[in-house]
Amino acid sequence: NAGVMQNPRHLVRRRGQEARLRCSPMKGHSHVYWYRQLPEEGLKFMVYLQKENIIDESGMPKERFSAEFPKEGPSILRIQQVVRGDSAAYFCASSPEGIPYSGYTFGSGTRLTVV
Amino acid sequence: AQTVTQSQPEMSVQEAETVTLSCTYDTSESDYYLFWYKQPPSRQMILVIRQEAYKQQNATENRFSVNFQKAAKSFSLKISDSQLGDAAMYFCAYSGGSNYKLTFGKGTLLTVNP
Repeated sequence: NAGVMQNPRHLVRRRGQEARLRCSPMKGHSHVYWYRQLPEEGLKFMVYLQKENIIDESGMPKERFSAEFPKEGPSILRIQQVVRGDSAAYFCASSPEGIPYSGYTFGSGTRLTVV
Repeated sequence: AQTVTQSQPEMSVQEAETVTLSCTYDTSESDYYLFWYKQPPSRQMILVIRQEAYKQQNATENRFSVNFQKAAKSFSLKISDSQLGDAAMYFCAYSGGSNYKLTFGKGTLLTVNP
């Protein structure tokens, strides 16, 4: 039973390019969460999705960031026109239900570097 | 808003010794969950231990145990018989009883000396 799979593990983008981060939840998990970890910081909530639905995107920057979790395929976090401040580690987590009774299972993250 | 504070940016311990990492939190809720996550250099976030606020008994997982003081809003992690593989960043996290969001502290970097 594979864990939460994130790819790519490392992503380098030039300023102004688009970044696409992928997350496949654990088998049987229908709830996906994206968190961002800035240098020297803990993880901060960005968005919570279920299949084909965005439940809460209150942690997402208002511009350039979007997320989806289609009926088929992985969840995608998309960052358009990246800037240096977007450089961070982006983590995806999944759970079988929407409350972390058991704690979430996290992926290994995608480290985005904007040059 | 809930906040989680880890007052020790760095800690070190000798192999086989015991170390305690501190965490305090602020909340007005009575029902919530608390977690300790470990982040080794591989960057993987690994759940170490969890505690439900309604349970008075402190959680224990092998060499890892917590001291949960609800009135003081304190949730410290004790690592006994420290091993080299315990070296990592440790994050304390909070989730309200009906809330899916995890609020993390800034972390404590633990070094284990041989």
